[in-house]
Amino acid sequence: RKEVEQDPGPFNVPEGATVAFNCTYSNSASQSFFWYRQDCRKEPKLLMSVYSSGNEDGRFTAQLNRASQYISLLIRDSKLSDSATYLCVAFLTGANNLFFGTGTRLTVIP
Amino acid sequence: GAGVSQSPSNKVTEKGKDVELRCDPISGHTALYWYRQSLGQGLEFLIYFQGNSAPDKSGLPSDRFSAERTGGSVSTLTIQRTQQEDSAVYLCASSFRGMVTEAFFGQGTRLTVV
Repeated sequence: RKEVEQDPGPFNVPEGATVAFNCTYSNSASQSFFWYRQDCRKEPKLLMSVYSSGNEDGRFTAQLNRASQYISLLIRDSKLSDSATYLCVAFLTGANNLFFGTGTRLTVIP
Repeated sequence: GAGVSQSPSNKVTEKGKDVELRCDPISGHTALYWYRQSLGQGLEFLIYFQGNSAPDKSGLPSDRFSAERTGGSVSTLTIQRTQQEDSAVYLCASSFRGMVTEAFFGQGTRLTVV
């Protein structure tokens, strides 16, 4: 069983739409969570950290549900430039390791 | 300042040859990770270095793979007797104080085994 699982998509949405991605993690001891963004043939880059209380950065909202062991990313008012693969990431303190999901591919259509 | 630097950016090698991939992390970053990403796939963890601690090698797929980190800075990933299934993008990342803080990735080395 993978440490982090997410729907690979693809998600094809029109400009202006709201889209949400979910991700589940298997180890309840996971300490920290992140969403990374990876553009085609580029390296992953941090999009945002995910805090227990939930956090928002412009059009992006991240939430954590420890009881159900999932995190989510909500993108409002999608832009063409949001087209990318979004990687869910969990940091496991005991293993001192960072576990990546396989990524969810988003394409925003004009 | 400079980000994570990887070299070469592209490498084509013949099956059975050995290859060395290099990663220069951001200065001062104590944690260094190697990942592998096959076409259209997610990131596969290979190995993790943290300061002077023994590396976590649990992700290395076979004994043909090894990695070193000299002086707590530059790291080299070596693949011996390369196979076609080793073809992938090899990504290096570094962070300060482990991965609780932001990890910065290099642009990767695209390895093609023919």
